[in-house]
Amino acid sequence: AQKITQTQPGMFVQEKEAVTLDCTYDTSDPSYGLFWYKQPSSGEMIFLIYQGSYDQQNATEGRYSLNFQKARKSANLVISASQLGDSAMYFCAMREMGAGSYQLTFGKGTKLSVIP
Amino acid sequence: GAVVSQHPSRVICKSGTSVKIECRSLDFQATTMFWYRQFPKQSLMLMATSNEGSKATYEQGVEKDKFLINHASLTLSTLTVTSAHPEDSSFYICSASDRDRVTDTQYFGPGTRLTVL
Repeated sequence: AQKITQTQPGMFVQEKEAVTLDCTYDTSDPSYGLFWYKQPSSGEMIFLIYQGSYDQQNATEGRYSLNFQKARKSANLVISASQLGDSAMYFCAMREMGAGSYQLTFGKGTKLSVIP
Repeated sequence: GAVVSQHPSRVICKSGTSVKIECRSLDFQATTMFWYRQFPKQSLMLMATSNEGSKATYEQGVEKDKFLINHASLTLSTLTVTSAHPEDSSFYICSASDRDRVTDTQYFGPGTRLTVL
């Protein structure tokens, strides 16, 4: 079974609107971290936001927020007030802390296109 | 903070030659660095985990003799693609883990696009 599932290969959003990118995960480790990265066409991976499994509140970073629903094992990224520069690939990733490893497992990504 | 550089950004080489890619953490010490490979329109595939002062740990299916990794210092890791062939053409991207941060976030370099003719 895939550990990280991103069901939306592509998404469109109107400029200035909010958009939600879905991410579900699968782990039996009680301690884990969830990450979102943005990859523009230039190729660089830009860290956006982090959510720890024991964090009580949803993470927020500027226009980015993470809708963390632990029981449903979902960690959706919400981008508010979309900008043209938000057009990119977005990857959800997980690190399972219990294994003592620092590896990230990535989803297949969602391509977001912001329409003027 | 948390800047990772990668050099070169793009390289074209002839089949059979070796190519070295450098990954540097510029403003933090990275005990652990990671090397990924990404095919067009696909996700990142972890190739190996590199720990400073010790041998790299390779993922299943990655040839350690072909993809040589050296982590000589807390700020530098190198990936050498030996005897490159056209099928090695890909986007290679490194990341470094900032252990001083609670989250152990991985910060990525800008990537290297390798084309083997």
